[in-house]
Amino acid sequence: QSALTQPASVSGSPGQSITISCTGTSSDVGGYNYVSWYQQHPGKAPKLMIYEVSNRPSGVSNRFSGSKSGNTASLTISGLQAEDEADYYCSSYTSSSTLEGMDFGTGTKVTVL
Amino acid sequence: QVQLVESGGGLVKPGGSLRLSCAASGFTFSDYYMSWIRQAPGKGLEWVSYISSSGSTIYYADSVKGRFTISRDNAKNSLYLQMNSLRAEDTAVYYCARATLQTVDYWGQGTLVTVSS
Repeated sequence: QSALTQPASVSGSPGQSITISCTGTSSDVGGYNYVSWYQQHPGKAPKLMIYEVSNRPSGVSNRFSGSKSGNTASLTISGLQAEDEADYYCSSYTSSSTLEGMDFGTGTKVTVL
Repeated sequence: QVQLVESGGGLVKPGGSLRLSCAASGFTFSDYYMSWIRQAPGKGLEWVSYISSSGSTIYYADSVKGRFTISRDNAKNSLYLQMNSLRAEDTAVYYCARATLQTVDYWGQGTLVTVSS
């Protein structure tokens, strides 16, 4: 397994929109519509925000949206709020001739200015 | 509501063993796939292992294959991770998760495993 590539940090002012990218390969992000996004506040367990590229679980704000193009998935947070300041991780199902599993992204720290 | 409570973490010497447990409640445990996912201090998430609802299908990350064993007891609503030949790089918070290989929808609060002499 190899980590998916995310920017180390992204920042924005309250009310703005930001986008976090998650780049993999054709064996993971590009090959399947099984990209998820998680939010993690310091000292807390991660929380599922998006699954299957663009689906929101019940209770997650519609300010969070996901998309994918080729080997890169994206999470967009619109109307940025102070409570959105956290670490964000993507994940993708991965499969090859020798392994099957789940890859996580390197993580992105979102700062609300 | 879904609850996943891990236990069994602690300090262990390199080469030692530890068994993690996860008590599940709030859902029909035997209907769901489960996983262990870890996070080294200050680092990102790493998927460790997955087990199907019946226990018949199991996968491991290359980093733990041959050293870790995942198992479950559906009668006790419990998930386990037997960790042998532990290394310093196994130091992490270990999360029990309700998860397929496609997504993780619920996470426990985690249990810290520290491998140090």
